[in-house]
This record gives sequence, structure tokens and C-alpha cells, in this order.
Amino acid sequence: GDSVTQMEGPVTLSEEAFLTINCTYTATGYPSLFWYVQYPGEGLQLLLKATKADDKGSNKGFEATYRKETTSFHLEKGSVQVSDSAVYFCALTGSSNTGKLIFGQGTTLQVKP
Amino acid sequence: DTAVSQTPKYLVTQMGNDKSIKCEQNLGHDTMYWYKQDSKKFLKIMFSYNNKELIINETVPNRFSPKSPDKAHLNLHINSLELGDSAVYFCASSRTGVTEAFFGQGTRLTVV
Repeated sequence: GDSVTQMEGPVTLSEEAFLTINCTYTATGYPSLFWYVQYPGEGLQLLLKATKADDKGSNKGFEATYRKETTSFHLEKGSVQVSDSAVYFCALTGSSNTGKLIFGQGTTLQVKP
Repeated sequence: DTAVSQTPKYLVTQMGNDKSIKCEQNLGHDTMYWYKQDSKKFLKIMFSYNNKELIINETVPNRFSPKSPDKAHLNLHINSLELGDSAVYFCASSRTGVTEAFFGQGTRLTVV
């Protein structure tokens, strides 16, 4: 079945460091891919998305490119801030076309001043 | 204006009790979902309704019963609560044919 694998966390970075969180997926068909962010004590917010191969999603300085050849959707940011500390989830729409999201296990990012 | 709102935000209850969580969305979406986030933060879908019709029913104990009185509301009723039901429950909504979903703030259920 469809699945998403994210790099293990926690990831601890200093402010202004470069961030990469790896995400790979297994899916039949052509899923849409997402990054959601969960700040402490809050719900999930959509960070960015890509709906087809080679699409790049971007928002708030974060970027991810839909790579079909490597089945990856890695999240990057050039310079992280303390306020970026959160849990990041990679997700895809399942092949059943029901809108169901399949999530990776989440990666906790902690940014220190 | 909150797009997807859940009540209550926190719920502490004893084993064996019955409880409900309510969800409302004002986005005009026609599909609503319940997801469960366990203690390791793993998220998994439980149910999905489209225009009040059950679309997805994952392997969930039948003590969990969703109810959708209209397409803007999706409630979750849980009977005979068990310790293992302790989790954060998220409601979400989306529009048919549009891939992104909007999530509520979550309900942290603690069964003691």
C-alpha cells in the first residue's frame, strides 16, 4: 500500500542554519504531496504542496520539489529561525482518490538561538 | 473566523464512559475527516464523510461512531472508553477534487 517515510528526528539546528528534512514515498498512480507543520499545542497547518512531478511547492521560505524518479519530496529552508521549531509531516493523497492523507511519522525540528 | 473548529479542546474522562467530540467547518467543504494522532505523533485516518455519506471507515473499533448531521458537521462519539483511546483527535475538511485538507486544532482525549 501507499506509504511515506521521513527522516528520524529530532533535528536540532542553530538559527540561520540550512534545513533539509528527507521524505520518500511509495504510491501507485500519481499522488499529490504535502508538507504540514504542527507548532506546539496547535493543529496541523498546510505548509506547501505539489500535485505533479517536477512541481515545486514553496511557502514562508520553505521549498520542496516533487521528484518522481527518486520518489522524494524533501523539505528545505535556507535559513531557519527559532519560530520554525515544530513537528513537520510529509504526506500524500492515497491512491483511492477519497482525499485520504497518508502521513509520515513526523520530524521534530528544534532551532536554538 | 475559525475555519475548522472542534470542541472540546481537552477532554479527561474515566474508563468506561461515553464521550463525544464535535467538529464544524465554515469553509463550504463537502468532505470531512477524523484523524487520530497517537503519543508518538503518528497520524492515521479513521473516518471520512462526503456530503453526509460515509466514504472511509478504517480499521477502527466499533465503539467509535461518527455522525454527520449535515455536510458542515462531523461528530465523533466514543463508547466505553479505554486507556488506549487516549490520543489527540483531529477533524479536517476538504473540497471534493481539491487535494489539500484543512485541520482543526485537535481534541486531546485522556482516559484515566
